[in-house]
Amino acid sequence: GQQVMQIPQYQHVQEGEDFTTYCNSSTTLSNIQWYKQRPGGHPVFLIQLVKSGEVKKQKRLTFQFGEAKKNSSLHITATQTTDVGTYFCAGIPGRRALTFGSGTRLQVQP
Amino acid sequence: DAGITQSPRHKVTETGTPVTLRCHQTENHRYMYWYRQDPGHGLRLIHYSYGVKDTDKGEVSDGYSVSRSKTEDFLLTLESATSSQTSVYFCAISEGTGGVEAFFGQGTRLTVV
Repeated sequence: GQQVMQIPQYQHVQEGEDFTTYCNSSTTLSNIQWYKQRPGGHPVFLIQLVKSGEVKKQKRLTFQFGEAKKNSSLHITATQTTDVGTYFCAGIPGRRALTFGSGTRLQVQP
Repeated sequence: DAGITQSPRHKVTETGTPVTLRCHQTENHRYMYWYRQDPGHGLRLIHYSYGVKDTDKGEVSDGYSVSRSKTEDFLLTLESATSSQTSVYFCAISEGTGGVEAFFGQGTRLTVV
C-alpha cells in the first residue's frame, strides 16, 4: 500500500475560511515536496522542505516539515476560489522514486 | 511548462487488447515515471526509469511493462488491457531523485471497455 498518507481526502470550505491538509509517512523522509493539481490539469510543483522542523511560506500558504521528518502539513489562510484543486505531498520513502500521497481535494464555496 | 508530451491524450480500447502509451521529453532529464490516477487513490507509481534501459517497478506494476531505449522516450505497455486499468495516466520527469522537483505531462485518459 501507499507509504505516504494524506488526510483529509476531501474538504469543502467557504471562501475566506482556512484549510489544512496533513501528510504522514511510515518512514523518515529526506525531504518532502508539495504539488497542486487544478481540476482537469496535471500536478504542478509548489515547494520542497528539507530540514527537520522547517517552515516555509508562499503568500497565504504555509508549509511545515515535522521534527521527525515523517510528517508535513500545508495550511492555506483565507481560502480563495483559485485555491480549488487537489494537493499532494510526495517523498521518497525507501524507494528511489517519488511517491505521492493520496491527495486532499479542496473545494471552495464562493 | 517542461517539454513533456504524452500520446495519445485519450484512448478507448477493448478488454484484452494491447495498448502502448508514449511519453516524450525534450529536457534530457534522467528520471522518467509513469503514474496512474484514480479517485481516492491519488497518484500511484507504476514503473520508473533512472536511465536508458534502466527501469524498476512501482507499487502497482502488475499488468504493465515499460521500455526506455532512448533518453527522451518512455513507453508504458498494457499487455492485455482490463477494465481495472481504466484510469488517467501521467508521465513525469525529473533531473534526479532525492530533492528534485518532478514535471508532469498533460495525462492520458484511457478507457477499457
